[in-house]
Amino acid sequence: GQQLNQSPQSMFIQEGEDVSMNCTSSSIFNTWLWYKQDPGEGPVLLIALYKAGELTSNGRLTAQFGITRKDSFLNISASIPSDVGIYFCAGQLLGSQGNLIFGKGTKLSVKP
Amino acid sequence: ETGVTQTPRHLVMGMTNKKSLKCEQHLGHNAMYWYKQSAKKPLELMFVYSLEERVENNSVPSRFSPECPNSSHLFLHLHTLQPEDSALYLCASSQDRGQDYGYTFGSGTRLTVV
Repeated sequence: GQQLNQSPQSMFIQEGEDVSMNCTSSSIFNTWLWYKQDPGEGPVLLIALYKAGELTSNGRLTAQFGITRKDSFLNISASIPSDVGIYFCAGQLLGSQGNLIFGKGTKLSVKP
Repeated sequence: ETGVTQTPRHLVMGMTNKKSLKCEQHLGHNAMYWYKQSAKKPLELMFVYSLEERVENNSVPSRFSPECPNSSHLFLHLHTLQPEDSALYLCASSQDRGQDYGYTFGSGTRLTVV
């Protein structure tokens, strides 16, 4: 089946550092979504992207829909301890009426 | 209450027990989903319901039985589970199946099979 390659798998950073993670695919997507999952909770939608090249911010978070429509990245600036969690990318294939495809997640740990 | 609510939050059951997980959404969404999330594995889609009709069953063992009595409620009936079925079970909903405005997830049920 279709896959999203999300990297890195995990990150250990110091509080205050910036974070960058990305998702890539060999297929073209018409939607990219970024979710965060806190420990013991369900994923929560952070940012949704609908156009190639689109750059969207949500507080300290910024995400971009790649020009080729095959990738997306998420940046977190000036990380804080509550940024800890697992970040998932998800996308809907171009022309698909099917379900979202999820990446495997990036586990973020922040050291105070 | 708004959003997607799952009960119970935690469940411990023996392999011979029968239990049910419940999911309720008050968002007016027409599609609902069950996902399994195991440690160090990606989200696994189990079942999809659209307008109360099951539209997808991803090769899930028959010991998992979903039920969608109306567009607001989704159940997952469990019987004779195995220890490897221990996981976080997540329910999600979306406006319609295939729409790209994202899914709203519940907080999940942490299931432990002993």
